[in-house]
Amino acid sequence: DARVTQTPRHKVTEMGQEVTMRCQPILGHNTVFWYRQTMMQGLELLAYFRNRAPLDDSGMPKDRFSAEMPDATLATLKIQPSEPRDSAVYFCASGPLGSGVNEKLFFGSGTQLSVL
Amino acid sequence: AQSVAQPEDQVKVAEGNPLTVKCTYSVSGNPYLFWYVQYPNRGLQFLLKYITGDNLVKGSYGFEAEFNKSQTSFHLKKPSALVSDSALYFCAVRDRPGRRALTFGSGTRLQVQP
Repeated sequence: DARVTQTPRHKVTEMGQEVTMRCQPILGHNTVFWYRQTMMQGLELLAYFRNRAPLDDSGMPKDRFSAEMPDATLATLKIQPSEPRDSAVYFCASGPLGSGVNEKLFFGSGTQLSVL
Repeated sequence: AQSVAQPEDQVKVAEGNPLTVKCTYSVSGNPYLFWYVQYPNRGLQFLLKYITGDNLVKGSYGFEAEFNKSQTSFHLKKPSALVSDSALYFCAVRDRPGRRALTFGSGTRLQVQP
Protein backbone atom coordinates (compact mmCIF):
# COMPACT_ATOMS: atom_id res chain seq x y z
CA ASP A 1 0.00 0.00 0.00
CA ALA A 2 1.16 3.51 -0.75
CA ARG A 3 1.85 5.50 2.37
CA VAL A 4 3.14 8.81 3.61
CA THR A 5 6.58 8.37 5.13
CA GLN A 6 7.91 10.60 7.87
CA THR A 7 11.38 10.71 9.37
CA PRO A 8 12.54 10.62 12.05
CA ARG A 9 9.85 8.88 14.09
CA HIS A 10 11.27 10.27 17.30
CA LYS A 11 13.53 13.20 18.01
CA VAL A 12 14.89 14.41 21.32
CA THR A 13 16.86 17.62 21.24
CA GLU A 14 17.95 20.45 23.46
CA MET A 15 16.46 23.90 23.44
CA GLY A 16 18.04 26.11 20.83
CA GLN A 17 18.96 23.32 18.43
CA GLU A 18 17.71 23.09 14.87
CA VAL A 19 15.20 20.36 14.09
CA THR A 20 14.36 19.13 10.61
CA MET A 21 11.46 16.81 9.95
CA ARG A 22 10.96 15.17 6.57
CA CYS A 23 7.98 13.81 4.74
CA GLN A 24 7.63 11.79 1.58
CA PRO A 25 4.07 12.19 0.31
CA ILE A 26 2.33 9.50 -1.68
CA LEU A 27 3.49 9.56 -5.28
CA GLY A 28 1.13 11.60 -7.40
CA HIS A 29 -0.47 13.50 -4.54
CA ASN A 30 -0.45 17.23 -5.17
CA THR A 31 -1.44 18.57 -1.75
CA VAL A 32 0.69 18.29 1.37
CA PHE A 33 -0.12 19.38 4.90
CA TRP A 34 1.79 19.70 8.16
CA TYR A 35 -0.21 19.30 11.36
CA ARG A 36 0.91 19.48 14.97
CA GLN A 37 -0.81 17.46 17.69
CA THR A 38 -0.65 18.31 21.38
CA MET A 39 -2.84 17.39 24.31
CA MET A 40 -3.77 20.99 24.94
CA GLN A 41 -4.38 22.24 21.41
CA GLY A 42 -5.33 19.07 19.58
CA LEU A 43 -4.56 19.01 15.85
CA GLU A 44 -3.43 22.32 14.41
CA LEU A 45 -2.72 23.05 10.76
CA LEU A 46 0.76 24.49 10.36
CA ALA A 47 1.23 24.58 6.58
CA TYR A 48 -0.53 23.65 3.37
CA PHE A 49 1.08 23.11 -0.04
CA ARG A 50 -0.50 22.57 -3.41
CA ASN A 51 1.69 21.55 -6.34
CA ARG A 52 4.71 22.34 -4.12
CA ALA A 53 3.66 25.97 -3.66
CA PRO A 54 2.82 27.13 -0.15
CA LEU A 55 -0.85 28.11 0.06
CA ASP A 56 -1.03 28.78 3.74
CA ASP A 57 1.52 28.79 6.52
CA SER A 58 -0.33 31.11 8.84
CA GLY A 59 -0.41 28.45 11.54
CA MET A 60 3.34 28.48 11.96
CA PRO A 61 5.36 30.79 14.18
CA LYS A 62 7.22 32.58 11.38
CA ASP A 63 10.23 33.51 13.42
CA ARG A 64 11.28 29.93 14.04
CA PHE A 65 9.37 27.59 11.75
CA SER A 66 9.77 27.10 8.03
CA ALA A 67 8.22 24.62 5.61
CA GLU A 68 9.37 23.82 2.10
CA MET A 69 8.86 21.35 -0.72
CA PRO A 70 12.15 21.20 -2.62
CA ASP A 71 10.60 18.62 -4.95
CA ALA A 72 7.40 16.62 -5.32
CA THR A 73 8.76 13.74 -3.26
CA LEU A 74 9.97 15.69 -0.24
CA ALA A 75 8.45 18.12 2.22
CA THR A 76 10.42 19.52 5.14
CA LEU A 77 9.50 21.29 8.34
CA LYS A 78 12.28 23.06 10.20
CA ILE A 79 12.36 24.62 13.62
CA GLN A 80 15.27 26.93 14.43
CA PRO A 81 15.79 27.52 17.29
CA SER A 82 13.64 24.90 18.98
CA GLU A 83 11.91 25.56 22.29
CA PRO A 84 10.33 23.23 24.87
CA ARG A 85 6.86 24.40 23.86
CA ASP A 86 7.48 22.92 20.41
CA SER A 87 7.33 19.44 21.91
CA ALA A 88 4.51 17.67 20.08
CA VAL A 89 3.77 15.09 17.43
CA TYR A 90 4.12 16.53 13.93
CA PHE A 91 2.12 14.87 11.19
CA CYS A 92 2.46 15.17 7.47
CA ALA A 93 -0.52 14.35 5.27
CA SER A 94 -1.00 14.26 1.53
CA GLY A 95 -4.01 14.25 -0.72
CA PRO A 96 -4.60 13.42 -4.37
CA LEU A 97 -5.88 15.55 -7.19
CA GLY A 98 -9.59 15.97 -7.64
CA SER A 99 -12.57 15.90 -5.37
CA GLY A 100 -15.44 13.63 -4.48
CA VAL A 101 -14.03 10.12 -4.14
CA ASN A 102 -10.56 11.63 -3.75
CA GLU A 103 -11.66 13.85 -0.91
CA LYS A 104 -9.52 12.39 1.84
CA LEU A 105 -6.11 12.84 3.36
CA PHE A 106 -3.46 10.22 4.05
CA PHE A 107 -1.41 10.74 7.19
CA GLY A 108 2.08 9.65 8.04
CA SER A 109 2.89 8.07 11.41
CA GLY A 110 4.26 11.34 12.73
CA THR A 111 7.47 12.64 14.28
CA GLN A 112 7.38 12.80 18.05
CA LEU A 113 9.51 15.76 19.04
CA SER A 114 10.76 16.40 22.56
CA VAL A 115 12.66 19.60 23.21
CA LEU A 116 14.41 19.60 26.57
CA ALA B 1 -14.88 30.04 10.31
CA GLN B 2 -15.71 26.40 9.78
CA SER B 3 -15.58 24.33 12.96
CA VAL B 4 -16.64 21.06 14.51
CA ALA B 5 -17.24 20.19 18.13
CA GLN B 6 -16.99 16.84 19.84
CA PRO B 7 -18.80 17.20 23.15
CA GLU B 8 -17.50 13.99 24.71
CA ASP B 9 -13.86 13.43 25.61
CA GLN B 10 -14.51 9.76 26.16
CA VAL B 11 -17.13 7.17 25.29
CA LYS B 12 -17.30 3.74 26.87
CA VAL B 13 -19.36 0.88 25.48
CA ALA B 14 -19.48 -2.84 25.95
CA GLU B 15 -18.40 -5.09 23.13
CA GLY B 16 -21.36 -6.03 20.95
CA ASN B 17 -23.35 -2.93 21.86
CA PRO B 18 -24.04 -0.11 19.44
CA LEU B 19 -21.81 2.93 19.68
CA THR B 20 -22.26 6.59 18.87
CA VAL B 21 -19.58 9.27 18.82
CA LYS B 22 -21.04 12.74 18.57
CA CYS B 23 -20.04 15.65 16.37
CA THR B 24 -21.72 18.96 15.63
CA TYR B 25 -20.60 21.41 12.99
CA SER B 26 -20.70 25.10 12.22
CA VAL B 27 -20.07 26.08 8.61
CA SER B 28 -20.91 28.67 6.04
CA GLY B 29 -22.02 27.09 2.81
CA ASN B 30 -22.12 23.38 2.14
CA PRO B 31 -20.42 21.24 4.78
CA TYR B 32 -17.67 18.80 3.81
CA LEU B 33 -17.48 16.54 6.85
CA PHE B 34 -15.15 13.70 7.73
CA TRP B 35 -14.36 11.14 10.40
CA TYR B 36 -10.82 9.93 11.06
CA VAL B 37 -9.53 7.39 13.55
CA GLN B 38 -6.17 7.37 15.31
CA TYR B 39 -4.67 4.25 16.86
CA PRO B 40 -1.82 4.58 19.38
CA ASN B 41 1.44 5.84 17.87
CA ARG B 42 -0.10 6.07 14.43
CA GLY B 43 -1.29 8.75 12.08
CA LEU B 44 -4.93 9.43 11.41
CA GLN B 45 -6.83 7.11 9.10
CA PHE B 46 -9.80 8.13 7.00
CA LEU B 47 -13.09 6.46 7.94
CA LEU B 48 -15.76 8.21 5.92
CA LYS B 49 -16.93 11.50 4.49
CA TYR B 50 -20.06 13.44 3.69
CA ILE B 51 -19.90 15.70 0.67
CA THR B 52 -23.42 15.54 -0.70
CA GLY B 53 -26.15 12.99 -1.25
CA ASP B 54 -27.54 10.45 1.18
CA ASN B 55 -27.60 11.51 4.79
CA LEU B 56 -26.39 8.09 5.92
CA VAL B 57 -22.80 7.57 4.91
CA LYS B 58 -21.10 4.19 5.13
CA GLY B 59 -17.40 3.91 5.72
CA SER B 60 -14.57 1.61 6.69
CA TYR B 61 -14.65 -1.11 9.36
CA GLY B 62 -18.45 -1.14 9.57
CA PHE B 63 -18.76 2.49 10.65
CA GLU B 64 -21.41 4.84 9.36
CA ALA B 65 -22.36 8.42 10.04
CA GLU B 66 -25.60 10.28 9.88
CA PHE B 67 -25.68 13.80 8.53
CA ASN B 68 -28.47 15.86 10.08
CA LYS B 69 -28.78 19.34 8.65
CA SER B 70 -31.46 20.57 11.05
CA GLN B 71 -29.40 19.56 14.08
CA THR B 72 -26.06 20.42 12.42
CA SER B 73 -24.74 17.05 13.51
CA PHE B 74 -22.64 14.31 11.97
CA HIS B 75 -22.56 11.50 14.51
CA LEU B 76 -20.45 8.41 13.96
CA LYS B 77 -22.15 5.07 14.60
CA LYS B 78 -21.57 1.37 14.55
CA PRO B 79 -24.23 -1.27 15.25
CA SER B 80 -21.95 -3.63 17.17
CA ALA B 81 -18.72 -2.45 18.77
CA LEU B 82 -15.50 -4.45 18.80
CA VAL B 83 -12.68 -4.21 21.33
CA SER B 84 -10.42 -3.39 18.38
CA ASP B 85 -12.49 -0.24 17.72
CA SER B 86 -10.94 1.32 20.83
CA ALA B 87 -9.09 4.39 19.54
CA LEU B 88 -9.24 8.17 19.26
CA TYR B 89 -11.85 9.46 16.83
CA PHE B 90 -11.77 12.86 15.16
CA CYS B 91 -14.52 14.68 13.37
CA ALA B 92 -13.29 17.18 10.77
CA VAL B 93 -14.54 19.79 8.33
CA ARG B 94 -12.96 21.56 5.40
CA ASP B 95 -11.47 24.65 7.00
CA ARG B 96 -12.61 26.96 4.20
CA PRO B 97 -14.67 26.52 1.04
CA GLY B 98 -12.49 25.45 -1.88
CA ARG B 99 -9.61 24.27 0.29
CA ARG B 100 -8.54 20.73 1.06
CA ALA B 101 -7.19 21.52 4.51
CA LEU B 102 -9.24 20.21 7.43
CA THR B 103 -10.10 21.60 10.84
CA PHE B 104 -10.35 18.82 13.38
CA GLY B 105 -12.41 18.48 16.51
CA SER B 106 -10.80 17.82 19.85
CA GLY B 107 -11.22 14.07 19.54
CA THR B 108 -13.21 11.45 21.43
CA ARG B 109 -11.54 8.47 22.99
CA LEU B 110 -13.63 5.36 22.44
CA GLN B 111 -13.13 2.52 24.87
CA VAL B 112 -14.85 -0.76 24.06
CA GLN B 113 -14.89 -3.07 27.05
CA PRO B 114 -14.85 -6.86 26.63
